[in-house]
Amino acid sequence: DGGITQSPKYLFRKEGQNVTLSCEQNLNHDAMYWYRQDPGQGLRLIYYSQIVNDFQKGDIAEGYSVSREKKESFPLTVTSAQKNPTAFYLCASDSGGSWETQYFGPGTRLLVL
Amino acid sequence: QKEVEQNSGPLSVPEGAIASLNCTYSDRGSQSFFWYRQYSGKSPELIMSIYSNGDKEDGRFTAQLNKASQYVSLLIRDSQPSDSATYLCAVKVRGGGADGLTFGKGTHLIIQP
Repeated sequence: DGGITQSPKYLFRKEGQNVTLSCEQNLNHDAMYWYRQDPGQGLRLIYYSQIVNDFQKGDIAEGYSVSREKKESFPLTVTSAQKNPTAFYLCASDSGGSWETQYFGPGTRLLVL
Repeated sequence: QKEVEQNSGPLSVPEGAIASLNCTYSDRGSQSFFWYRQYSGKSPELIMSIYSNGDKEDGRFTAQLNKASQYVSLLIRDSQPSDSATYLCAVKVRGGGADGLTFGKGTHLIIQP
């Protein structure tokens, strides 16, 4: 069953803590993306990766870091430098061309304790 | 600055009527255009994609693109209560490879039984 999985579904972060959100896809897609959605807002791009071991900053990369060691995986770390991390985080993937459709995982909701 | 504008709504439409959702974008270099549907608390799911001027139909959905006016719309015929959701317009600007989508804030559609 092909698709994108994200874990955990809910994540709680304490002050000053780094947390990592998981994203895995078995669609054989080259490109992967991370977006953030705040209540009543559209999605904003955090980071994206076109190929393994390469990634680019999106519009709101400050306070976040990523890695792409495997084609299937693109974890996102929310660092303590991100002062307002409470949001719905969405991972997406596509085949990497201009005309490709991005498909989304189910999302991770991050809350601050 | 890439911008995608949508009327936030709510847009209320009687069951069985046509719902019309509109979106404008600022970057004339935009290549690909997408409509996603998002239910509350869930991730976006693709409804339609369109790449060239004109209409594209898929079942009850029709996407319309006018690049000269920088305008894209989505028509939903025979609206059903299950169509009640937030509809996100998304644009991919750069050609030739992976790139993130720029999203509008979404239009909240309510289908009245």
